[in-house]
Amino acid sequence: AQSVTQPDIHITVSEGASLELRCNYSYGATPYLFWYVQSPGQGLQLLLKYFSGDTLVQGIKGFEAEFKRSQSSFNLRKPSVHWSDAAEYFCAVGPKGRDDKIIFGKGTRLHILP
Amino acid sequence: ETGVTQTPRHLVMGMTNKKSLKCEQHLGHNAMYWYKQSAKKPLELMFVYNFKEQTENNSVPSRFSPECPNSSHLFLHLHTLQPEDSALYLCASSQEQRGEETQYFGPGTRLLVL
Repeated sequence: AQSVTQPDIHITVSEGASLELRCNYSYGATPYLFWYVQSPGQGLQLLLKYFSGDTLVQGIKGFEAEFKRSQSSFNLRKPSVHWSDAAEYFCAVGPKGRDDKIIFGKGTRLHILP
Repeated sequence: ETGVTQTPRHLVMGMTNKKSLKCEQHLGHNAMYWYKQSAKKPLELMFVYNFKEQTENNSVPSRFSPECPNSSHLFLHLHTLQPEDSALYLCASSQEQRGEETQYFGPGTRLLVL
């Protein structure tokens, strides 16, 4: 069965520091992969997605993610975080096929130290 | 502003009340979703409508009753809820129900059942 694991429930980094949020998936083939962000009191917003091709994907707000097939990972990175990046981040897997449902990870809450 | 609106934003109800949550999307999408987001649990998909037909019901209790009168509107009718149903209820839409489709989320309705 497909699954998504975000090993870190909370991550704290200082403003200006680099960030990497981990995501591992389990699926029989290469799925569609997404990162969403949820700010307090808001719904989820898509940061970036990977379907095929270049394994390094650029997203909004200066985020990028790299798909590594050998590690079944799709980690999210940002070179320098801003206080406004404090939010919850969700990795998701969308299987290939019609009527299939997307599966979300449990999320990682990012805290930013001033 | 993602093009998906939800009302009300906050709702407090007793266990014997009947209420409805409303979702409207202005994106011309054909698939709409209800999710439940509880503390410390992954996002739970409840219902999916694709071209106004329900394609997914994830073993949701019958006290939750969805309605999709057209592709722009989605309702979640609530009756005789339990305190454990307190959560953030998120609506989302996508062009179709396919694995690669980006889902656009509303801000959610924060529900408290007393």
